[in-house]
Amino acid sequence: DAGVIQSPRHEVTEMGQEVTLRCKPISGHDYLFWYRQTMMRGLELLIYFNNNVPIDDSGMPEDRFSAKMPNASFSTLKIQPSEPRDSAVYFCASSLGSRTSGFMFFGPGTRLTVL
Amino acid sequence: AQSVAQPEDQVNVAEGNPLTVKCTYSVSGNPYLFWYVQYPNRGLQFLLKYITGDNLVKGSYGFEAEFNKSQTSFHLKKPSALVSDSALYFCAVRGRNNNAGNMLTFGGGTRLMVKP
Repeated sequence: DAGVIQSPRHEVTEMGQEVTLRCKPISGHDYLFWYRQTMMRGLELLIYFNNNVPIDDSGMPEDRFSAKMPNASFSTLKIQPSEPRDSAVYFCASSLGSRTSGFMFFGPGTRLTVL
Repeated sequence: AQSVAQPEDQVNVAEGNPLTVKCTYSVSGNPYLFWYVQYPNRGLQFLLKYITGDNLVKGSYGFEAEFNKSQTSFHLKKPSALVSDSALYFCAVRGRNNNAGNMLTFGGGTRLMVKP
C-alpha cells in the first residue's frame, strides 16, 4: 500500500478563493482524520470520520470549513472563502479501528498559503 | 479527558551525547502511549509505542522510551544522538477503551536539535 495520499502537496491561493484538499486513506482503514498544524497552535484535530460518516467536527474552526467523505477511499476538506489565517499544514490520517492496539498513519500533508 | 504535556519546546544536544525528550500524560485507566517523529516537510511517522509488558520500549533508529506509571511519564531516549535525529517529536496517548478508531491526543511537540 502506498500509505495515506494527500493532494496537492502545496497550495498557494489568494484570500477569498475556495480551496479543496484531498485525501486517500490506506485501503481497508475505517477511520479518517483531518488535522491542522501551525506554529502557534500545534496539531489540532479538525474532524474525523468512521465508515465515511462524520463523527466529531467540533474542531472545525468555523462554517468556512467543510469536510466530506463520499466513499471509503476519498475525503475532501474545503475552505470557502479562504483567509490568510488559514495558512497551515493540513494532515490527513487513517487507522483501522478494530485493531485496539493499532495506531494512526499520517499523510505527507498539504502546505496551504493564503495570501 | 486525556492530555499530553511536552514541557520543552526545544532540546539541544551535541552529537554523540545521550538525549531525552520528556512527556507526561493524563488518561483514565491504563494508557497506550506513542512517539511520532516529523522531519521537515514530511508527515508524522510512527517511532514506537507502549501497549503492555516491559516498561522499556525499543523503537526505530535506536530510540527507546520508558513508561513510568507512578510518574505518568513516557520519556523518549537515545544513548547517542545523531545530527540526522534533528526533527520535531510528538508524544501521544489514548485510553484502552478503543475510542474513535485509535484517535490519539498529541502533545505540543518538542524540537530536537543535534549539533555536530
